[in-house]
Amino acid sequence: RKEVEQDPGPFNVPEGATVAFNCTYSNSASQSFFWYRQDCRKEPKLLMSVYSSGNEDGRFTAQLNRASQYISLLIRDSKLSDSATYLCVVNGGTNAGKSTFGDGTTLTVKP
Amino acid sequence: ETGVTQSPTHLIKTRGQQVTLRCSSQSGHNTVSWYQQALGQGPQFIFQYYREEENGRGNFPPRFSGLQFPNYSSELNVNALELDDSALYLCASSHVPAGANSPLHFGNGTRLTVT
Repeated sequence: RKEVEQDPGPFNVPEGATVAFNCTYSNSASQSFFWYRQDCRKEPKLLMSVYSSGNEDGRFTAQLNRASQYISLLIRDSKLSDSATYLCVVNGGTNAGKSTFGDGTTLTVKP
Repeated sequence: ETGVTQSPTHLIKTRGQQVTLRCSSQSGHNTVSWYQQALGQGPQFIFQYYREEENGRGNFPPRFSGLQFPNYSSELNVNALELDDSALYLCASSHVPAGANSPLHFGNGTRLTVT
C-alpha cells in the first residue's frame, strides 16, 4: 500500500462545476499537509496548506481529518485554467526530511 | 527574490554512464530536497540536505548520491545509469526541513533520458 493515496481520476467536468478530490495517508505521525498543482511537463507548485480546522482560499477549500487520516480539496466554480494534476503531499513522520507525494489526480475542465 | 534554478534542463545519457545534476536554492532557503518523477506518477523522495548534511533518504540505491554546498546549492549524482533512471528530476528548496510545516519550492526540473 502506498503511503499517500489519491483518487485515480481523471475528472472531466464542465466549467462552473464543483469537484472534490480525496487523499488518504498511512503514517499517523505525519505533521503537515499540502495540495500542489502540476501543469503538464511543469514543476509542482504549492496550491495551499491544509490545516486541521479547514481552510479556504477563494474557490478552493481544503479539509484535514487526522482521525481518519484523510485530506480533501474542493474546487468550486471550476475554470478552464484549473485543468491540471493535483498532488496531495504529506510531511514529516518517521523520515523527518521527507515530503511524500500522492500520484496525483488529473482534472480537465471543459467549456 | 531568486527562485530555484536547475541545470541542465534536458540530458541524454547512455546506460552505465554517470550524471551530475545541479540546483541553486531559492534565496533565504537552507534546505534542498531531490525528487524523481516518472511519467504518470507523483514525485518520489530521493534525499534531503540541510546544513550540508543528508537529512533523510528515500528508497533509492547508493548510486544516487548528493552534496550541499555552503551557499545551499546542491548536486545530485547518479552512477551506473540504468534505463529506469529516465525521469524528471526535481529539486526543491525550503526554509527549514520538511516536517516543520515548510512547503517546498520546486525548480523547473531536469529531464533525463537514458538510452
